[in-house]
Amino acid sequence: AQSVTQLGSHVSVSEGALVLLRCNYSSSVPPYLFWYVQYPNQGLQLLLKYTSAATLVKGINGFEAEFKKSETSFHLTKPSAHMSDAAEYFCAVNNQGGKLIFGQGTELSVKP
Amino acid sequence: ETGVTQTPRHLVMGMTNKKSLKCEQHLGHNAMYWYKQSAKKPLELMFVYNFKEQTENNSVPSRFSPECPNSSHLFLHLHTLQPEDSALYLCASSQAAREKALGYTFGSGTRLTVV
Repeated sequence: AQSVTQLGSHVSVSEGALVLLRCNYSSSVPPYLFWYVQYPNQGLQLLLKYTSAATLVKGINGFEAEFKKSETSFHLTKPSAHMSDAAEYFCAVNNQGGKLIFGQGTELSVKP
Repeated sequence: ETGVTQTPRHLVMGMTNKKSLKCEQHLGHNAMYWYKQSAKKPLELMFVYNFKEQTENNSVPSRFSPECPNSSHLFLHLHTLQPEDSALYLCASSQAAREKALGYTFGSGTRLTVV
């Protein structure tokens, strides 16, 4: 069965600093992996997805994620945090039935 | 209009009221989902519909009653709710479940408060 673990329910960075949000997955088949962002009182918006093409995936708002099979990881990064990046981020894996399995979410705070 | 639209955005209801949440998508998707998002808790999948048929009910109390009249519309009928049902209710849609690479498109949610 597929599962996702996001390490750290809350991450705080300074404006301009590197953002690193961790996601590890478990899957018995080649996974499809996703990162979503949720701003307060909004729905989830797709940031980027890995679908077995390039292992380094670029998304919106300057975010990118690298698929590392050997580490079963799909960490989300951004070189320089902006105040507007403050939100909750969800990693998800698509299971064999096509259903998305979400991680617990990581809340990102950005300090001025 | 494109995307997934949820109405109302905010709803306050008493425990004896009956209300409905509406979700509409114009993306040509064939699968629709209801999620509950409570403060400090993970996303909880409530119901899944594929081609208008309910394919998943994750032990949701009967005071929540979904309806999917067609592939574009999804409702969540609410009656005799409890204060702990207060949450953000999210609707999502996707292509048929076999299209695993496409992910979901979410609505903005309905913020429900039960008083």
